Amino acid sequence: NAGVTQTPKFRILKIGQSMTLQCAQDMNHNYMYWYRQDPGMGLKLIYYSVGAGITDKGEVPNGYNVSRSTTEDFPLRLELAAPSQTSVYFCASSYSETGELFFGEGSRLTVL
Amino acid sequence: QKEVEQNSGPLSVPEGAIASLNCTYSDRGSQSFFWYRQYSGKSPELIMFIYSNGDKEDGRFTAQLNKASQYVSLLIRDSQPSDSATYLCAVKRNYGQNFVFGPGTRLSVLP
Repeated sequence: NAGVTQTPKFRILKIGQSMTLQCAQDMNHNYMYWYRQDPGMGLKLIYYSVGAGITDKGEVPNGYNVSRSTTEDFPLRLELAAPSQTSVYFCASSYSETGELFFGEGSRLTVL
Repeated sequence: QKEVEQNSGPLSVPEGAIASLNCTYSDRGSQSFFWYRQYSGKSPELIMFIYSNGDKEDGRFTAQLNKASQYVSLLIRDSQPSDSATYLCAVKRNYGQNFVFGPGTRLSVLP
């Protein structure tokens, strides 16, 4: 049972570089989310999607982009990486609007 | 005022004791409340959810909700060292898709 799979698990970027964090789920969930977690700050929503072709901004979308071409995949794109984007990123999915969130293992990103 | 507030801890309890974790929220229209457990370096996992005022029990865990006071708590009975983790309170807003998370309370159960 794969659940929610994120890659890569760790990445170091230089300021100004770009990269994509991959997220895939095999539970046929319509709802998918990207969160970032900074120490002592809880989880902050970056972007979410309620189905293929539909995405919307969360609380902290600046510097990020997403796409949702299929139900399974929800990649997060970082353009022009900045030190403020150093964080742990979690992808999550749920089967309904109010249902349990299933999280991936996280991707630890460091921008130097 | 933050939307969801929790004491950051650490909360230390001896093995076998009851651990009480508290959470307050500001959006009076919130309808769904969740407790997630997060071990260090791991992803959050759901412990319990509660929608209605009162208590909800699941094994050693009891969630309590008081919408009038905008307060939700998690009680862990017979605490075990394996319960040592950070506990995140999450509130589902009555609008939009956002689950708002508190900063988490770090629990340490001492053997």
